[in-house]
Order: sequence, then C-alpha cells, then structure tokens
Amino acid sequence: AQSVTQLDSQVPVFEEAPVELRCNYSSSVSVYLFWYVQYPNQGLQLLLKYLSGSTLVKGINGFEAEFNKSQTSFHLRKPSVHISDTAEYFCAVSEKTGGFKTIFGAGTRLFVKA
Amino acid sequence: GAVVSQHPSWVICKSGTSVKIECRSLDFQATTMFWYRQFPKQSLMLMATSNEGSKATYEQGVEKDKFLINHASLTLSTLTVTSAHPEDSSFYICSALPDLMSNQPQHFGDGTRLSIL
Repeated sequence: AQSVTQLDSQVPVFEEAPVELRCNYSSSVSVYLFWYVQYPNQGLQLLLKYLSGSTLVKGINGFEAEFNKSQTSFHLRKPSVHISDTAEYFCAVSEKTGGFKTIFGAGTRLFVKA
Repeated sequence: GAVVSQHPSWVICKSGTSVKIECRSLDFQATTMFWYRQFPKQSLMLMATSNEGSKATYEQGVEKDKFLINHASLTLSTLTVTSAHPEDSSFYICSALPDLMSNQPQHFGDGTRLSIL
C-alpha cells in the first residue's frame, strides 16, 4: 500500500519570497503523483500532476514540482508567492494498479504574509 | 474541462435523519468514483470506492451500513449517511475518475458540508 508524508504542517513565508512544500511517498509499484490546493470551505483544485515523462512538472499559478524517484519525493515549489496563495496544499499518490485509489498527505498550510 | 457536480453543498439536519449526497460527472462517464471525508484542519480520508453496477469497496473502519453508496449510472454516485449523528458532521468530497486508459486524474466535486444537530 502507498503512503504520503508531507513534512511541514505549516509554512509561513513573506510575499514575493520563494517557497518549497515537501512531499515524500512510499509505494511498492509505480505511481502517479499530484498536488492539490484547497481554499477554505471549498473542494480541491489540481495544481499539477506527474504521470510519466519529464520529472519537472509545471502547473497552474506558477507552481512546479520535481519527481525524484531515488528519493521518492515530489516537492512543490514557487519562485515568488502572493498573498492569494495562502491555502492548504495536499500531496497525493495514486498507484497505477489497484483501481487508481488515491491517498492524500496530511496537508501543508501555506501562509503568505505581507 | 471535466466537471464534477456535488449536491447539496451544505446541509444541516437533526440527529437521526438520513442524508443523501449526490455526485455527478457532467461531461464524462465515470465507472469509478471515490468518496472522501475531511475533518476540520485535516486531510482527506478515503471512505470508499464506488464502481458502477457493483458494490462499493469500503476502506477499513468505514461502516458500510452507515454510509450507503449507490453508483447506478455512469454519471451518478450517491452517498447516504443513515441515521446521522453529530459525530458524522464533516466535509464530504467525491471525485470521479475518467476512462482508466486516458491517464487523466480524478476530478473532484466542491464538497458537501454536513452538520448534524
């Protein structure tokens, strides 16, 4: 079975600073990897996904993530954050077999300060 | 883009009543849908996998008699919380998985906030 670990529960950062949200996973089979954003009282919005191919994935809102198979990581980065990026971010992993069941990390609260 | 509609978005009801939540895929067919539960400031916990035309697969610890799932068509799955109690209050989110061969990820609904008084 797969598992996901988001190493930081909260990340405070000043506006226009860079940010990295960390995610590590474990699985015995090949996986798909995702980052989602959730604003208060809303559902999930897909930021980006890694299915195959290039390990550097670019998503919406200026976010990108890099799949590192040897370190089993999929860290999310943004070079310059905005106040509007304040939200909860979830890393998720889906095994390519087993019905594509998706498991979510505990989430990281990104708080952008002026 | 693909859209998943979840209804209702918010429901408040008395303890002991049953509540049905609908999840519809609006522009694609979904043989597989998922139901998640999210407590405040926590992550999404997968409750069950809903398969069209067959019984749902529940995760360990989820009471199948408490959370009834029906996936009667390729665009609709329902979750019924039976005899709801205050501890069932939570944010419930569904997702729908497009064709497995398309390599497209699941698409999420906007969630249903359930409050049991």
